[in-house]
Amino acid sequence: EAGVVQSPRYKIIEKKQPVAFWCNPISGHNTLYWYRQNLGQGPELLIRYENEEAVDDSQLPKDRFSAERLKGVDSTLKIQPAELGDSAVYLCASSRGQGVREQYFGPGTRLTVT
Amino acid sequence: SQKIEQNSEALNIQEGKTATLTCNYTNYSPAYLQWYRQDPGRGPVFLLLIRENEKEKRKERLKVTFDTTLKQSLFHITASQPADSATYLCALGAAGSYQLTFGKGTKLSVIP
Repeated sequence: EAGVVQSPRYKIIEKKQPVAFWCNPISGHNTLYWYRQNLGQGPELLIRYENEEAVDDSQLPKDRFSAERLKGVDSTLKIQPAELGDSAVYLCASSRGQGVREQYFGPGTRLTVT
Repeated sequence: SQKIEQNSEALNIQEGKTATLTCNYTNYSPAYLQWYRQDPGRGPVFLLLIRENEKEKRKERLKVTFDTTLKQSLFHITASQPADSATYLCALGAAGSYQLTFGKGTKLSVIP
């Protein structure tokens, strides 16, 4: 089966500019996650969707970050305006079913804010 | 606050030896623990899941243990190969929660 697809793979923007990341999860996976990974750190959860509902967004900086998952499939994560500290790799992951299960990660989008 | 420590940032071992990676945690009572592998420029890849009522899990050359008394998980790779070189992440989850808390990872280098 095809893996999690993310685009773009790399993005360089100036601070205060907006940026958006797109994720297409594995077909049939109802749960979608967005993580941020800083250099030398593990991924940190930003938001989790069960189908089209955001069920855990406590770690999402809502003043500048927003996310959506229309029709419970693809998802978009947006930052507006971007700050220097937002430079990181943004990972999307998906999983299937209920209960504890493994997560399948995409390759990530490396964001550099200058 | 919750804290997850992976034994070291980097671990070098000789090919053919057993690599042992450590994941310690404090102020946390995880119900399950997962191990992931991450190669440069790629997302993490799931390896093993172990629950709090399980002592040990095996998959091919991989073995993971989970000691809730010591608050520690050990991850072993037997007969290590240069292709095993990567960063290994442990991730903990609480009961009733699907949120994973990741450690910083240990970069393993297997030297031919």
